[in-house]
Amino acid sequence: SQQGEEDPQALSIQEGENATMNCSYKTSINNLQWYRQNSGRGLVHLILIRSNEREKHSGRLRVTLDTSKKSSSLLITASRAADTASYFCATASIIQGAQKLVFGQGTRLTINP
Amino acid sequence: ETGVTQTPRHLVMGMTNKKSLKCEQHLGHNAMYWYKQSAKKPLELMFVYNFKEQTENNSVPSRFSPECPNSSHLFLHLHTLQPEDSALYLCASSPGLAAIWGEQFFGPGTRLTVL
Repeated sequence: SQQGEEDPQALSIQEGENATMNCSYKTSINNLQWYRQNSGRGLVHLILIRSNEREKHSGRLRVTLDTSKKSSSLLITASRAADTASYFCATASIIQGAQKLVFGQGTRLTINP
Repeated sequence: ETGVTQTPRHLVMGMTNKKSLKCEQHLGHNAMYWYKQSAKKPLELMFVYNFKEQTENNSVPSRFSPECPNSSHLFLHLHTLQPEDSALYLCASSPGLAAIWGEQFFGPGTRLTVL
C-alpha cells in the first residue's frame, strides 16, 4: 500500500510552540503533499515536496522528505490557535494522465491558547 | 474559496431514496475526483475522471453512480444506500495533465446521513 501514515494521531501543544507531524509511506512516489482540514470541511493544500527535494519552506511551514526511509515531516513553527485542524499527508502518482493521491489517516492538532 | 463548490452541503436520506450530489469547479481543470471520508478512516478515493472519461473506479459499490457531463461538473448519484455510507463526500479537481504535478483543490464537502 502506498498509503501514508501520520504520527502522532493527535497532538496538543501550547500556542507559540512548534508542532511536528510525521508521515510514512510504503512505495516510491513522485511527490508528497500536506493538506489541512478544519473540522467537517474540505481539505486545503499546504505544501508539496518532490521526490528529488529534501526540504521545503513556506511561511511557518517546513517540510522534509527522506525517500530512503520513505518518510516526511511537517513542522509548524510558532503555532497559533488558528492552526488547530487535522493535517494529512498524501502521496502522489499518475493514473491514466490524472494525478491520484493516497491519504493517510491524519494528525489532529490542537493549539491551546 | 478554492474554486470548487459542492451542493448540497448537508443531506439526510432514507435507504430507499435516490439523491444526487453535485460538484462544480471554476478553475479550468480537466480532472475531477470523488472522495469519501468516514470517521476514523483515511480519505478514500472513489472515482477519477480525466477529460470527462472515468479513469478509476476504486471498487465502489454500484449504489454510487458517478456522472461527468463536462470537465466542470461532476455528479454522484445515490440509490439504495446503507447507513454505513454516511460520511463526508468530498469533490476535488486538478489540472489533469500528467506533465503537471500539483495540488488538488477540494470542495467543502457534502455531509451525508443515511437513516
